[in-house]
Amino acid sequence: GAVVSQHPSRVICKSGTSVKIECRSLDFQATTMFWYRQFPKQSLMLMATSNEGSKATYEQGVEKDKFLINHASLTLSTLTVTSAHPEDSSFYICSIKTGLAADTQYFGPGTRLTVL
Amino acid sequence: AQKITQTQPGMFVQEKEAVTLDCTYDTSDQSYGLFWYKQPSSGEMIFLIYQGSYDEQNATEGRYSLNFQKARKSANLVISASQLGDSAMYFCAMREGRNYGQNFVFGPGTRLSVLP
Repeated sequence: GAVVSQHPSRVICKSGTSVKIECRSLDFQATTMFWYRQFPKQSLMLMATSNEGSKATYEQGVEKDKFLINHASLTLSTLTVTSAHPEDSSFYICSIKTGLAADTQYFGPGTRLTVL
Repeated sequence: AQKITQTQPGMFVQEKEAVTLDCTYDTSDQSYGLFWYKQPSSGEMIFLIYQGSYDEQNATEGRYSLNFQKARKSANLVISASQLGDSAMYFCAMREGRNYGQNFVFGPGTRLSVLP
C-alpha cells in the first residue's frame, strides 16, 4: 500500500503556542488527504478533508481558524494547531485517498500532541 | 444513530486459535465499502482487509477473512491462527456511496489480546 509519513511523531508544547504537523505521501500523488483526531481509548474522528490547491472541508464542530490546513502539493498537507490549549492534546493522524477501486485510505503513523 | 457498531470492547484469544471480531453497520446506500484496520500500541493504522457491497465472495487476506452477511449488515473479521503480534485495537470502518470522496466512518474498536 501507499506509504504515508508524519512529522513530528511526538510534540510537547506550552499552552498558547502553535504547532505544525506535516503529512507526506511518499509514493503516491494524493489529491485528497484526511486529518483525524483520536482521544485516548476512543475511535478516530474525522476533522477535515484536505484538497490539493483548494480550501479544506471541515467537519461540523471543528474550528477552521484553530486547525489550519494547507495542502500545497500532491504530496504534502500540513495541520497547524493555533494557540494550542491542553484540551487539544490528542493523537492526530492523517490519511491519503488513493482513488483506487476500493478507495482504501492509508494512514500515517500519527502525531501525539501534548499541550502543557 | 451509530453507523458502525462493534459490541466487543475487549477480546481474549489463545495463541494459535481463531477469533472473530464483530462489526455491524447501518447504511441506506446500495454501494458501500467495509474495511478493517489494526492499530497496535504504536498508534499507526494498518489496513487489513476490504469488502465491497457488491462483492459476492467473502474477502480474504492471508490469515484475515471477512464474514460478510449483507442481509444482516454484518462484516465480522476472522483472524485464524492468532499470533502474539495480533494484540492490538481493531477498527471496522465504512465508506458510503459511489462518490469516492466520501470519508470513512469508524467503529469504536475492539481491543484484542492474544494470550501465550
